[in-house]
Amino acid sequence: SQKIEQNSEALNIQEGKTATLTCNYTNYSPAYLQWYRQDPGRGPVFLLLIRENEKEKRKERLKVTFDTTLKQSLFHITASQPADSATYLCARGAGFQKLVFGTGTRLLVSP
Amino acid sequence: DTAVSQTPKYLVTQMGNDKSIKCEQNLGHDTMYWYKQDSKKFLKIMFSYNNKELIINETVPNRFSPKSPDKAHLNLHINSLELGDSAVYFCASSQTLLAGGRYNEQFFGPGTRLTVL
Repeated sequence: SQKIEQNSEALNIQEGKTATLTCNYTNYSPAYLQWYRQDPGRGPVFLLLIRENEKEKRKERLKVTFDTTLKQSLFHITASQPADSATYLCARGAGFQKLVFGTGTRLLVSP
Repeated sequence: DTAVSQTPKYLVTQMGNDKSIKCEQNLGHDTMYWYKQDSKKFLKIMFSYNNKELIINETVPNRFSPKSPDKAHLNLHINSLELGDSAVYFCASSQTLLAGGRYNEQFFGPGTRLTVL
């Protein structure tokens, strides 16, 4: 079965730098990959969705890429701020398909 | 103005009890979900209803029974609670298909933290 894998270790970066988080998948390419943000004690919040045939998607300081050769999606936050500190979840699926989540990567942005 | 709401936010109960968690969405979505997030923060789908019909039923014990009285509500009833049921349960909703074939994201509720003693 297909797995979604994220680096479980926290990523620590300094304010102003670009944060890059990785999401790898196994076996076949999912038609959609989504990225969510989760703050402690709250539900995940949708950030971006990228389709298999899209190389890149942007929204303000966020950018997501989808590389079917490497079986990987990268999530970038440029000019990071302490308020970007949270856990970021990658998931495959869309619509009424079930979302299969990775374990999430915690991002810590220090001032 | 809350989009997806859940009650209660916290639920502490003894093993063997039966409890329910309620979920409501006011987004007009046609699909609702229940997810379980364990102590390691892994979020896993349990059930999904589309227009009140069960469409996803993962490998979940029979003690868990979802009920969707209408498109805006999806409740989760749990019988004979066990220690391993302790987790945070999230409800979510989405619209299956938007105009132009766009698929929409899922909107999550704030979660219900269930602690079984």
